[in-house]
Amino acid sequence: DQQVKQNSPSLSVQEGRISILNCDYTNSMFDYFLWYKKYPAEGPTFLISISSIKDKNEDGRFTVFLNKSAKHLSLHIVPSQPGDSAVYFCAASGSNFGNEKLTFGTGTRLTIIP
Amino acid sequence: ETGVTQTPRHLVMGMTNKKSLKCEQHLGHNAMYWYKQSAKKPLELMFVYNFKEQTENNSVPSRFSPECPNSSHLFLHLHTLQPEDSALYLCASSQDRISEAFFGQGTRLTVV
Repeated sequence: DQQVKQNSPSLSVQEGRISILNCDYTNSMFDYFLWYKKYPAEGPTFLISISSIKDKNEDGRFTVFLNKSAKHLSLHIVPSQPGDSAVYFCAASGSNFGNEKLTFGTGTRLTIIP
Repeated sequence: ETGVTQTPRHLVMGMTNKKSLKCEQHLGHNAMYWYKQSAKKPLELMFVYNFKEQTENNSVPSRFSPECPNSSHLFLHLHTLQPEDSALYLCASSQDRISEAFFGQGTRLTVV
């Protein structure tokens, strides 16, 4: 059973607008969440993370929001730029035994339209 | 050279062949991982090594055999693979198991 879900396989956004990528999780023991970005023919690169003691973390154009009660997190990119076109993976882990490894979602392909 | 380096980048092998994937990290990390990425599936963790010791084998078939001679190098030995094993194999490293993992560029494996 998939514990981290990204229900939108793809998303297209106009350049300059806000991109919102969503992720849901089912394991209540997860307490650390990450977003990775992947270009074709490259490995995923770490983008931004958030721990469960926070509900928001911001880094430049990227902001991650965490709603623990809904078991939902989102990544906001504003303004979106053509170089943001990539596949974005949500990942989660827990600090208790058995949940330490990263569990990934299936990814969302973001296309920024110039 | 810095980061996580994987070789080869592409590999085509027959079902009776034996080949190895290599990963090297120059980050001083103590944990290394093998992941598999198949089309339309999440990244699947295969193996975890902490300080050269295998700490996790995620029910991976024995035709995949990992080796970690030291904390900077990780191998994945392949033998008698099946066509469904064709995928992108990613190596990653991290300082501890919860921190952000750094990934290599992957090896695109095709089994024919």
